[in-house]
Amino acid sequence: DAGVIQSPRHEVTEMGQEVTLRCKPISGHNSLFWYRQTMMRGLELLIYFNNNVPIDDSGMPEDRFSAKMPNASFSTLKIQPSEPRDSAVYFCASSFVPGQGATRETQYFGPGTRLLVL
Amino acid sequence: SQQGEEDPQALSIQEGENATMNCSYKTSINNLQWYRQNSGRGLVHLILIRSNEREKHSGRLRVTLDTSKKSSSLLITASRAADTASYFCASMNSGYSTLTFGKGTMLLVSP
Repeated sequence: DAGVIQSPRHEVTEMGQEVTLRCKPISGHNSLFWYRQTMMRGLELLIYFNNNVPIDDSGMPEDRFSAKMPNASFSTLKIQPSEPRDSAVYFCASSFVPGQGATRETQYFGPGTRLLVL
Repeated sequence: SQQGEEDPQALSIQEGENATMNCSYKTSINNLQWYRQNSGRGLVHLILIRSNEREKHSGRLRVTLDTSKKSSSLLITASRAADTASYFCASMNSGYSTLTFGKGTMLLVSP
């Protein structure tokens, strides 16, 4: 298996521009998570999906951030408009939950997208 | 906010020595997990310990869990230069929904 795939790996953009980060989870996984990592705040959960449905987006910083999962093999995280404080590494992770009530356990992380907003 | 807190924030040892990292959490958990992150890479799952377990081993890794103190420790024995990385604990809440990560311990193993 190729693991979780994220693109782009690096993104440099100017303040005010739209940024779209992409993620392909591991085939067969039914939960997908978006995290943001900074030196100051560590690793923060932004949003997670279960069976393509957003379950908890309480970690999304503000309305400039949005995430979609149109199908089981693709998700996007969009920032519009971007600001310098959005500079961070954004990780996508996926996991498999066998059934209702079962425990989500190991998460598999992608390599991350390093975003720099100038 | 980050519930898990790792201690120490940074640790520097020589190859062959043991490395011990500690983690505290704040709420009831279903399990606690440890992940490793090499520089510029994603996190990799190392080991999981459930709330009803007290100790678990995997190769050179030993994890303990004390639910009364809401703390866990990760011991890496006979460290190698390749163990140089950041190590994160992550608590899975009792609702089985999400992981809450600590800020990590940076481990440097010198040859």
